[in-house]
Amino acid sequence: GENVEQHPSTLSVQEGDSAVIKCTYSDSASNYFPWYKQELGKRPQLIIDIRSNVGEKKDQRIAVTLNKTAKHFSLHITETQPEDSAVYFCAAILSGNTPLVFGKGTRLSVIA
Amino acid sequence: KAGVTQTPRYLIKTRGQQVTLSCSPISGHRSVSWYQQTPGQGLQFLFEYFSETQRNKGNFPGRFSGRQFSNSRSEMNVSTLELGDSALYLCASRSGTGINEKLFFGSGTQLSVL
Repeated sequence: GENVEQHPSTLSVQEGDSAVIKCTYSDSASNYFPWYKQELGKRPQLIIDIRSNVGEKKDQRIAVTLNKTAKHFSLHITETQPEDSAVYFCAAILSGNTPLVFGKGTRLSVIA
Repeated sequence: KAGVTQTPRYLIKTRGQQVTLSCSPISGHRSVSWYQQTPGQGLQFLFEYFSETQRNKGNFPGRFSGRQFSNSRSEMNVSTLELGDSALYLCASRSGTGINEKLFFGSGTQLSVL
């Protein structure tokens, strides 16, 4: 089955700096890659996703890039703000008949 | 439209007991998945139900079971609880099983086993 590795496990940045979280997946046939943000005590919420036929997608201060050849994808947050502090999870799915497999998460702390 | 609803929000049980958790998906969603979240281990997949049938099952012992009703509501049962079962159990729903179907999570049930 699919396996997703996520790095780093913790990340601290100064407010206004950029943050990058990287994930690798094992099955080259995986073709949908969402990112979830989980604030303390709250549910994981989808913040951005990318499909395998797209190399990059942006939504305001967040962007996701996908390198299918290397089987890795990354989340980029620019101009970080304290409210960006949360745990971020990447995930990958092989097909509609398989479950979404998550990385172990990255705890991002934005220091004001 | 109401989101995914999980009850109860908190549970405290002792070893050896059993527990049942409930999940109501977003209206119109027919797929319900369950995940276990523990510190450092991320979100580990338990099982997925679609139209009352289990479609996928994760690598958990048989003490973990689930079911889905005709109204898409789902329950998860854990029998003979162990200390290691303490975790946040998250339910998530999606409208179908297509590759592009977005997964929406509930707030979870925090289970503590003493």
